[in-house]
Amino acid sequence: SAVISQKPSRDICQRGTSLTIQCQVDSQVTMMFWYRQQPGQSLTLIATANQGSEATYESGFVIDKFPISRPNLTFSTLTVSNMSPEDSSIYLCSVEEDSVYEQYFGPGTRLTVT
Amino acid sequence: AQSVTQLGSHVSVSEGALVLLRCNYSSSVPPYLFWYVQYPNQGLQLLLKYTSAATLVKGINGFEAEFKKSETSFHLTKPSAHMSDAAEYFCAVSDGYSTLTFGKGTMLLVSP
Repeated sequence: SAVISQKPSRDICQRGTSLTIQCQVDSQVTMMFWYRQQPGQSLTLIATANQGSEATYESGFVIDKFPISRPNLTFSTLTVSNMSPEDSSIYLCSVEEDSVYEQYFGPGTRLTVT
Repeated sequence: AQSVTQLGSHVSVSEGALVLLRCNYSSSVPPYLFWYVQYPNQGLQLLLKYTSAATLVKGINGFEAEFKKSETSFHLTKPSAHMSDAAEYFCAVSDGYSTLTFGKGTMLLVSP
């Protein structure tokens, strides 16, 4: 299975600022996903990021707030823009290996907005 | 549309006792079903998956789950709990087009 790393592992940010989270995979994958896990909650899909195309956002998430880049088959970034305390969450990236129908997750980025 | 319901936000067992975590799903197409485990301050780790092959699926760490179409269930079991099993467990369903829908999670507490 793919090995996924995320940077930073955690951060404390001030409201109104932006944070870019990086996701690196040790193999080439077509589909990458970004999730949010709010405190004590389950995972909610933010967007799907395929290389070579615009990210597809789920209902309730917009590109201006969560811009995503996918420059190649092993890397993606998620930016949380103009942060507020409500953005305090764990952000996880995941990948789906071709023809496997299962997703593998990174360790997550724990974000606290003050 | 697909959805997942996990009964019980917390389940407590004694070490050595049977673990049973319940998951019911709703899907308009034959589903793919997954159980993930999340240890404190870590990402999610895949325990096992059902993809329309055998209805009894064996996973890592001694866990298994049985797909019951008539009951739309995919409950997770382990015959004997270990202290190291204490974690949060998530059931998830996919329609086969890669979108995963997660349940709210069940925290498993294991007491000595």
